[in-house]
Amino acid sequence: SAVISQKPSRDICQRGTSLTIQCQVDSQVTMMFWYRQQPGQSLTLIATANQGSEATYESGFVIDKFPISRPNLTFSTLTVSNMSPEDSSIYLCSVGTAPYNEQFFGPGTRLTVL
Amino acid sequence: DAKTTQPTSMDCAEGRAANLPCNHSTISGNEYVYWYRQIHSQGPQYIIHGLKNNETNEMASLIITEDRKSSTLILPHATLRDTAVYYCIVRTYTGTASKLTFGTGTRLQVTL
Repeated sequence: SAVISQKPSRDICQRGTSLTIQCQVDSQVTMMFWYRQQPGQSLTLIATANQGSEATYESGFVIDKFPISRPNLTFSTLTVSNMSPEDSSIYLCSVGTAPYNEQFFGPGTRLTVL
Repeated sequence: DAKTTQPTSMDCAEGRAANLPCNHSTISGNEYVYWYRQIHSQGPQYIIHGLKNNETNEMASLIITEDRKSSTLILPHATLRDTAVYYCIVRTYTGTASKLTFGTGTRLQVTL
C-alpha cells in the first residue's frame, strides 16, 4: 500500500482567497486523483492529475477554479481559487498503484470558507 | 461505470457477522466490484475487490452472485471499530486508469 500525506490537514479561509493543498506519496505512483466531499455527502472526483501533462477534469469542475500541478510521480497540488462558502468541504488526494489497480486515499484536508 | 444500490443504513451487534448487500444489475463483463469504507473524518479505506469469484482477505469476504448482478460484503466478527460508511463501487479495470465513482454507501452501526 501507499502512504499518503496531505498539507494542510485543515484550514479556515476568507471568501475570495485561494488555498493550495499538497499531496505527498511515499512511492512513485502512476495515477493521482483529487476528490471533494461536501458536508454529509459522498465523494466526488474533481480531476485526475497526470504527470507531465494537463489534469483531466470531471464534468462540473474547471481548471480556472481548481488548478492542479503534478511535477513528479510522488507529488501533486490542488488549488481552490477564489473561494466561497460553497467550497467548504474535505478535499482528498488518492493514488492508484499497479499492478493490482488498488486505490488509496490520503487523510483529507478539511476546508472551511467564511 | 455501472450504478450500484445499497441500503442507506444497517445495524449489527458486536461479534456478529455484518452482511452488507449491493445491487449492480447493469454490471458488464469487464467491471470489477470494489468495497471501501470511510470511518468518520478519515479518508476511505480499501477493503476488497473481485470480478466473479468469491474473495476473502484479512478484513472481509466478498460474495458475488453467479449472474454478477449483486454482491455481499461480509465482516465475519464485527467490532465497534467497524462502524463506518461502506461503499460498493463497480469499476472498469483498464490497467492504468483507476477512477472510482462513489455512491451514497451504507452506514453500518455496530452496537454492544
